[in-house]
Amino acid sequence: GAVVSQHPSWVICKSGTSVKIECRSLDFQATTMFWYRQFPKQSLMLMATSNEGSKATYEQGVEKDKFLINHASLTLSTLTVTSAHPEDSSFYICSAGLAGASSYEQYFGPGTRLTVT
Amino acid sequence: GNSVTQMEGPVTLSEEAFLTINCTYTATGYPSLFWYVQYPGEGLQLLLKATKADDKGSNKGFEATYRKETTSFHLEKGSVQVSDSAVYFCALTLNTGGFKTIFGAGTRLFVKA
Repeated sequence: GAVVSQHPSWVICKSGTSVKIECRSLDFQATTMFWYRQFPKQSLMLMATSNEGSKATYEQGVEKDKFLINHASLTLSTLTVTSAHPEDSSFYICSAGLAGASSYEQYFGPGTRLTVT
Repeated sequence: GNSVTQMEGPVTLSEEAFLTINCTYTATGYPSLFWYVQYPGEGLQLLLKATKADDKGSNKGFEATYRKETTSFHLEKGSVQVSDSAVYFCALTLNTGGFKTIFGAGTRLFVKA
């Protein structure tokens, strides 16, 4: 089946530093990848939609200069949290979209837990 | 606007009990409907889906039927197990010049032995 990986699975960084999270579709090509943020015991909040070879589309309220998204290839998208602060601590989940004959499905990565100290 | 509303949790059941988690939606157009499950510390896994009215999605004993007339997609399982303890998310996906998924708030299920 379609598998999406994320790396790292968890990261601890100091305030003011930047952190890069990778999202890879392992066995299929994804023209579109999505980045979500999830706070404890809450639902997923879409941060941005990433299309290969073009600029990401950010949701309202998400700072594009703080959350840099690059979709360099059909199997890799990266999210860089720049100048991280403790309030950026969260669980970040990516997904890759795959259009089927009758539906569109998303395959989710296992998530990356970011803790900013 | 487009939205998904699901019953608040947590839901606590004994093993072998019947499970229903309600989900209703509002959408412009014709969405596909999904149930995802999230185990602690993990990402989301697709549990089942339905792409058009009256479709029934099923997987691992879970079922949900796409009811256009009531705009609902309730999740059911006849006999839950401890291993079913997780958070369940109802979601819809629409093609609005690009696919977009909207999630419900999630319902946490605890199953006691």
